Amino acid sequence: SQQGEEDPQALSIQEGENATMNCSYKTSINNLQWYRQNSGRGLVHLILIRSNEREKHSGRLRVTLDTSKKSSSLLITASRAADTASYFCALTPSNDYKLSFGAGTTVTVRA
Amino acid sequence: DTAVSQTPKYLVTQMGNDKSIKCEQNLGHDTMYWYKQDSKKFLKIMFSYNNKELIINETVPNRFSPKSPDKAHLNLHINSLELGDSAVYFCASGRANTGELFFGEGSRLTVL
Repeated sequence: SQQGEEDPQALSIQEGENATMNCSYKTSINNLQWYRQNSGRGLVHLILIRSNEREKHSGRLRVTLDTSKKSSSLLITASRAADTASYFCALTPSNDYKLSFGAGTTVTVRA
Repeated sequence: DTAVSQTPKYLVTQMGNDKSIKCEQNLGHDTMYWYKQDSKKFLKIMFSYNNKELIINETVPNRFSPKSPDKAHLNLHINSLELGDSAVYFCASGRANTGELFFGEGSRLTVL
């Protein structure tokens, strides 16, 4: 399959803690993206990291990419209740232009 | 001003009926998509259009037919609805060279 697989499926943390989720994939990629989906809403793009990049930051978000291990991680620092959502990795394979999504990690931030 | 808008947001209908979901984007993007999200949140691409031309057509039953009257609109028509069609359908748009997609709020279809 060409989609990523997120791990863990679900994560529950206390407000202020960091949340880390991982995405593993099996094919060569052009880029990998992370999206957030709040309950009952559409997906919102967070970060895109290209295959020749190793790390990107955006506010409290940090994404890493290890193409040798075919994995990426998303770190949310100093989590807030508003970070409660599902987080999806999506990748574009090298031999394709379709963006394929995994099943997501559901993050719950407890106040 | 909503970037990608879908209507209706909720759709409840009987098996065998035909229904349509409309999508419009005001971002000036060339490419539009339909994704289906099942009850386990897995998102699967269904169709993609670039400048009104179909470029992605995944293994989707023929009962599903997309139509793009212009590059700002991509509608989805579903014939002879089945129970398994119950899902949330998302429209998205993007520029081919950036990769980032902008999603609508989804249309939740329930087939009884």
